[in-house]
Amino acid sequence: DIQMTQSPSTLSASVGDKVTIACRASQRISSWLAWYQQKPGKAPKLLIYKTSNLDSGVPLRFSGTGSGTEFTLTISSLQPDDSATYYCQQYHDNSPTFGQGTKVEVK
Amino acid sequence: EVRLLESGGGLVQPGGSVRLSCAVSGFPFVNYVMNWVRQAPGKGLEWVSAVSGSGGATYFADSVKGRFTISRDNSKNTLYLQMNDLRAEDTAIYFCAKGHIDSSGYYHDAFDMWGQGTKVTVSS
Repeated sequence: DIQMTQSPSTLSASVGDKVTIACRASQRISSWLAWYQQKPGKAPKLLIYKTSNLDSGVPLRFSGTGSGTEFTLTISSLQPDDSATYYCQQYHDNSPTFGQGTKVEVK
Repeated sequence: EVRLLESGGGLVQPGGSVRLSCAVSGFPFVNYVMNWVRQAPGKGLEWVSAVSGSGGATYFADSVKGRFTISRDNSKNTLYLQMNDLRAEDTAIYFCAKGHIDSSGYYHDAFDMWGQGTKVTVSS
């Protein structure tokens, strides 16, 4: 299986800050990477697919970059509603795998 | 409105079986790969299984291969997960999730719609 490693595991930032979450794959996955946001007690929400494509209705402050094994989710101006856990997920093969998650706290 | 509604969870003894269902509405069910994703208490997400639109192709995580079966009834817009030989480590919330088709018609194994989840607890 392809292992996905996110960093940091937690982060705390203020409203308006630029926030970056990294995701590394154990082998090359081209651009087959998605990002999700999950709030406590709720199902995950797709933010980005194929590295940089925003799903419908996702605010433009979210963006994704990367290729191969290194990927990044950026929140350009953190908002109170962005407090959540974020997961990356690779879908290079028929066995999708997720990162362990990054918990984002908004101060 | 797209809706996915899971059911069938509960308390099951180790070695037991349970069948989860996911009733879907609001999109052409037959056109989409459907998935099960689980989340153990306080843990991250784990993809479990997928089934093609026709039901002819199925895929499983190594952790459940040989114990779980995925199926769908396109006439009823319903997805199923048959879980046998359950273990304590199968305790989780199980979500059904819809695969994503982009505006160009290209399929992605990214999950753009999720149910609210159904909880399965394996314990004696």
